[in-house]
Amino acid sequence: NAGVMQNPRHLVRRRGQEARLRCSPMKGHSHVYWYRQLPEEGLKFMVYLQKENIIDESGMPKERFSAEFPKEGPSILRIQQVVRGDSAAYFCASSPQWGFDAEQYFGPGTRLTVT
Amino acid sequence: RKEVEQDPGPFNVPEGATVAFNCTYSNSASQSFFWYRQDCRKEPKLLMSVYSSGNEDGRFTAQLNRASQYISLLIRDSKLSDSATYLCVVRNYGGATNKLIFGTGTLLAVQP
Repeated sequence: NAGVMQNPRHLVRRRGQEARLRCSPMKGHSHVYWYRQLPEEGLKFMVYLQKENIIDESGMPKERFSAEFPKEGPSILRIQQVVRGDSAAYFCASSPQWGFDAEQYFGPGTRLTVT
Repeated sequence: RKEVEQDPGPFNVPEGATVAFNCTYSNSASQSFFWYRQDCRKEPKLLMSVYSSGNEDGRFTAQLNRASQYISLLIRDSKLSDSATYLCVVRNYGGATNKLIFGTGTLLAVQP
């Protein structure tokens, strides 16, 4: 049973380009979370999605960032017109259900470097 | 004030030592508590959950004090392989969200 998969693992973008990060949850998981870890900082929640729905995007920057989790295919975190401050590790997690005892399983992360 | 606060360390200890990490959280409504472990440049992995009066798993013991809003992790007989960053995590149940709130982590380096 494959774990949470993220690709690419490393992504280099120039300022102003777009970055697309993909997350395939564990089999049978319909809840996806995105977290960002800036250098020397803790993980910060960005967005929580279920299939075809954004449930909580309270941690998403208001501009340039968007996320989706279509009926088919992986969840996508999209960053438009990247800036140097977007350089970070982006982790995706999935869980099989909602609830206070639902463990979130993390993927290996995508390390975004903006030059 | 950060919602979850930890001493960043680093904690440098010899093999076999006992080491304790502390964490405080600011939201008295927080209902779930965890310790995660993160190795350098890798994803966080759940070490143990902490419920009500705490729990033990081998060399690891986690305690929760709701009145003081304080969580601790004790590692006995440290191994070289315990070297990592330990993340204190809380979850506030309710509404539509199920997000985890992470502390910045405490770095542990176990020396031979």
